[in-house]
Amino acid sequence: NAGVTQTPKFRILKIGQSMTLQCAQDMNHNYMYWYRQDPGMGLKLIYYSVGAGITDKGEVPNGYNVSRSTTEDFPLRLELAAPSQTSVYFCASSYSRSNQPQHFGDGTRLSIL
Amino acid sequence: AQSVTQLGSHVSVSEGALVLLRCNYSSSVPPYLFWYVQYPNQGLQLLLKYTSAATLVKGINGFEAEFKKSETSFHLTKPSAHMSDAAEYFCAVSVSGSEKLVFGKGTKLTVNP
Repeated sequence: NAGVTQTPKFRILKIGQSMTLQCAQDMNHNYMYWYRQDPGMGLKLIYYSVGAGITDKGEVPNGYNVSRSTTEDFPLRLELAAPSQTSVYFCASSYSRSNQPQHFGDGTRLSIL
Repeated sequence: AQSVTQLGSHVSVSEGALVLLRCNYSSSVPPYLFWYVQYPNQGLQLLLKYTSAATLVKGINGFEAEFKKSETSFHLTKPSAHMSDAAEYFCAVSVSGSEKLVFGKGTKLTVNP
């Protein structure tokens, strides 16, 4: 029973490099989310998707891109890494909107140096 | 727009003492409210949720929360703290028709022996 799986768990990037954070869920959830967590700031929504082929911006989308070609996968792309993107990134999924809880992966710790 | 305020970024209690973590929300329509727990180096796990049924909600690990509309509060309590309760706790709000959860900044709970 894997739930939400995020890879990699840790990564160090140089400024200007690009990378993709992977997220996969096996619960057949339509809704998927990407958050970043910074100390003392809670979770901020980066992007979300309500189904395959449909994505939308959250609160802090600048510097990131997403795609959703399948129900299971929701990768997050950083094109030109900047120190301000040093953070812990969480992917989550839920069965539907509003009153359904979100299920979280264990996170990717990303450092930009 | 919805918002959540968690009073106290750090709370310290003795083992066996009452745990009280405060959450106040702002919403112009009836909210759905959630408490999540995050253990070190892990993702968030759902503790409990309020979705307009009973105002006193029981969750996992002996936690409960009471929805008080007049006070716009959803405080989390546990009668007797255990060392294993040490973690960070997040309150979150959503409303009907919204795809998004809005998180508070979190409260770190320390349990002293």
